[in-house]
Amino acid sequence: GENVEQHPSTLSVQEGDSAVIKCTYSDSASNYFPWYKQELGKRPQLIIDIRSNVGEKKDQRIAVTLNKTAKHFSLHITETQPEDSAVYFCAARSPPGGYNKLIFGAGTRLAVHP
Amino acid sequence: GAVVSQHPSRVICKSGTSVKIECRSLDFQATTMFWYRQFPKQSLMLMATSNEGSKATYEQGVEKDKFLINHASLTLSTLTVTSAHPEDSSFYICSAIPGGLGAFFGQGTRLTVV
Repeated sequence: GENVEQHPSTLSVQEGDSAVIKCTYSDSASNYFPWYKQELGKRPQLIIDIRSNVGEKKDQRIAVTLNKTAKHFSLHITETQPEDSAVYFCAARSPPGGYNKLIFGAGTRLAVHP
Repeated sequence: GAVVSQHPSRVICKSGTSVKIECRSLDFQATTMFWYRQFPKQSLMLMATSNEGSKATYEQGVEKDKFLINHASLTLSTLTVTSAHPEDSSFYICSAIPGGLGAFFGQGTRLTVV
């Protein structure tokens, strides 16, 4: 089955700096890669996603890149703000026939210091 | 975005009793829902895929008789933790995928078995 690895496990940045979180996946047939933000005690919220036919997607300060050949994808947050502090999870979707189930990475705890 | 509602948000039960958790899709029909378990400071571990009108599909290592899943309608899936023990204490969270892409999560249920 699919396996998703995520790095780093913790990331500390100064306000205004950029943050990058990287994930790799094992199944070359996976075709959808979302990113979720989870604040303490709350549900994960979808913040951005990318399909396998696209190399990059951007939404204001957040961008995601995908390298299908290398089977890795990254989340980029620019001009970080204290409210960006949370745990971020990447995920990969199993191919059709797997009920669209998402397999999650271990998570990255991002701390943005004022 | 799509709304997934989960109840209860917190439950404390005695060891040996059973607990039922409900997951509802409020503004869309969900033929498939997913149940995850999350330990403190850890990732979301997929437990099972709930299929409307048929048996759930369990991930390897998840006890079917321990975690009973029922998906009797297009908007409701339930997870029953049977004969709960302290080691079952965890954060349980459901999700559904409207439109076939991004998953939306319920609020989660924090189960404490005493």
